[in-house]
Amino acid sequence: GAGVSQSPRYKVAKRGQDVALRCDPISGHVSLFWYQQALGQGPEFLTYFQNEAQLDKSGLPSDRFFAERPEGSVSTLKIQRTQQEDSAVYLCASSFQGAQKETQYFGPGTRLLVL
Amino acid sequence: GNSVTQMEGPVTLSEEAFLTINCTYTATGYPSLFWYVQYPGEGLQLLLKATKADDKGSNKGFEATYRKETTSFHLEKGSVQVSDSAVYFCALSSGNEKLTFGTGTRLTIIP
Repeated sequence: GAGVSQSPRYKVAKRGQDVALRCDPISGHVSLFWYQQALGQGPEFLTYFQNEAQLDKSGLPSDRFFAERPEGSVSTLKIQRTQQEDSAVYLCASSFQGAQKETQYFGPGTRLLVL
Repeated sequence: GNSVTQMEGPVTLSEEAFLTINCTYTATGYPSLFWYVQYPGEGLQLLLKATKADDKGSNKGFEATYRKETTSFHLEKGSVQVSDSAVYFCALSSGNEKLTFGTGTRLTIIP
């Protein structure tokens, strides 16, 4: 079956531009996560949805970052007024119910480069 | 807060060598522990997991045992292959669903 998909795979933005990154989770998965992975580092948590409810956004680095999942399926991560430090790979993951023991399934990521 | 410390890389081994990648953790409560792997050009995928103390996760010849007394989840494989070359991430989940990852260990196996 289809896995988690993300688009675009690569994005180059000029500093100050707004970007929108899309995630399509595995069909039927209730929980959706966003992570940020800097070069040479492990992924770091940004935010978490259960259906359309954003239950945890403690990892969002600033108010320039905004995520939504209005119909409980596709999610969009938006970054306003991008800065060079936003350059990273943005990973989306989904799981069936989001319980602690469950496996999270990751998409291929969107590599963002801010010039 | 939660944290994961894993063996720094890169690690280079000859084919058929024994592999250990160390991972220790700090967490509140009783976490679930995971090893994820990222092959070249591919996304993160689960390698194995253990959800309670003394559980052993295993997959593709890799094993890791959840040791609560030493707060460790070391990854081992008895005989590595060139195809095992990848970046390996230790991670935990503790009560709040999100994963906390280590920094990753790049493994290269030479023929």
